[in-house]
Amino acid sequence: AQSVTQLDSHVSVSEGTPVLLRCNYSSSYSPSLFWYVQHPNKGLQLLLKYTSAATLVKGINGFEAEFKKSETSFHLTKPSAHMSDAAEYFCVARLRGSARQLTFGSGTQLTVLP
Amino acid sequence: NAGVTQTPKFQVLKTGQSMTLQCAQDMNHNSMYWYRQDPGMGLRLIYYSASEGTTDKGEVPNGYNVSRLNKREFSLRLESAAPSQTSVYFCASSDLQDLENIQYFGAGTRLSVL
Repeated sequence: AQSVTQLDSHVSVSEGTPVLLRCNYSSSYSPSLFWYVQHPNKGLQLLLKYTSAATLVKGINGFEAEFKKSETSFHLTKPSAHMSDAAEYFCVARLRGSARQLTFGSGTQLTVLP
Repeated sequence: NAGVTQTPKFQVLKTGQSMTLQCAQDMNHNSMYWYRQDPGMGLRLIYYSASEGTTDKGEVPNGYNVSRLNKREFSLRLESAAPSQTSVYFCASSDLQDLENIQYFGAGTRLSVL
């Protein structure tokens, strides 16, 4: 069975400072990994995906994530936070070969302070 | 480009009432999903439909039924609503040919059961 753990339920940063949202996965096999963002009262939007190509993945709005197999981690980073980054972020895994099912982390609420 | 459209956006029910949540996608996707989102628990899969004419249970199917009406539409029915079904419900769709199963989400239905 696979699981996804987001290590922080809330992260608060000042505008212009770096963002780090942490995610660890547990799986017997190398999964595909994703980060989704959910702005208030909106649906989830794909930020980026890891699918076994490059381990450093770049996404939209300046976000990137690095897949580290030895640490079973897929942390999301951004060099400089913007007020519009305030949202909830979900780390998501899909087991290779699994037809349709995704496993979601519990989410990290990012607050950006002026 | 509408993407995934959910109706209604908000609903309040009394215990024991029934209702149907509607979902439609205009991306010609084969696969559709219903999730519920509860605080601190991420998204959990209720039912999914890998392709038109098929439906399967997800992680939390009890108390729900689904209908894949056609390729575009996938509805979720609560036959006798319970307070435990108070949640935010998301519909998603994906392309069966997409090996990574990237899912596209609607804006959600916020349901309160009193």
